[in-house]
Amino acid sequence: GQQLNQSPQSMFIQEGEDVSMNCTSSSIFNTWLWYKQDPGEGPVLLIALYKAGELTSNGRLTAQFGITRKDSFLNISASIPSDVGIYFCAGQRAYGNKLVFGAGTILRVKS
Amino acid sequence: DADVTQTPRNRITKTGKRIMLECSQTKGHDRMYWYRQDPGLGLRLIYYSFDVKDINKGEISDGYSVSRQAQAKFSLSLESAIPNQTALYFCATSEGISYGYTFGSGTRLTVV
Repeated sequence: GQQLNQSPQSMFIQEGEDVSMNCTSSSIFNTWLWYKQDPGEGPVLLIALYKAGELTSNGRLTAQFGITRKDSFLNISASIPSDVGIYFCAGQRAYGNKLVFGAGTILRVKS
Repeated sequence: DADVTQTPRNRITKTGKRIMLECSQTKGHDRMYWYRQDPGLGLRLIYYSFDVKDINKGEISDGYSVSRQAQAKFSLSLESAIPNQTALYFCATSEGISYGYTFGSGTRLTVV
């Protein structure tokens, strides 16, 4: 079953607002990844994080690898309509050989 | 051409029928995966393969089988489809976990 707790499950925000979502686990992770899935498509990698405390940006997106190595968050600043979709966190546990995925956050934007 | 190609994109099949979903990749990666997506459940791993001779079950392999015909091809079969296998299926490839996975566009399967 799911080993990553991703929240919130869904968000409906006004265009221009900032968005924040996070993933937590009881296990330690070596790698955190954030993906976005557009309707009708497969997930696409947005940001990859490799070190505890690491803060990485990709345009209006910023993600951080938690200091405890058990969590990560993704922020989207000044949301626009094309930000709609499902955002997934994924992680590689210490000594793990596969990615574990969160259940996803559905983002809807009102223009 | 897409890096990871899945066929068909959509399929409706009847209960009890055998169906195969196909995946091919041009990334040259050894690792390939099949996932199933259901609303609210995220992505669940069905099978994965780290090379042509290596096949492993994921968390929900019951009712499914796979074949790794070549480095570039990894197919998923439902031997006797049932309605609760209605879902969106994704194939993915990876050079190594730290680099993440590259996903195909998915196959939407409906079992009636």
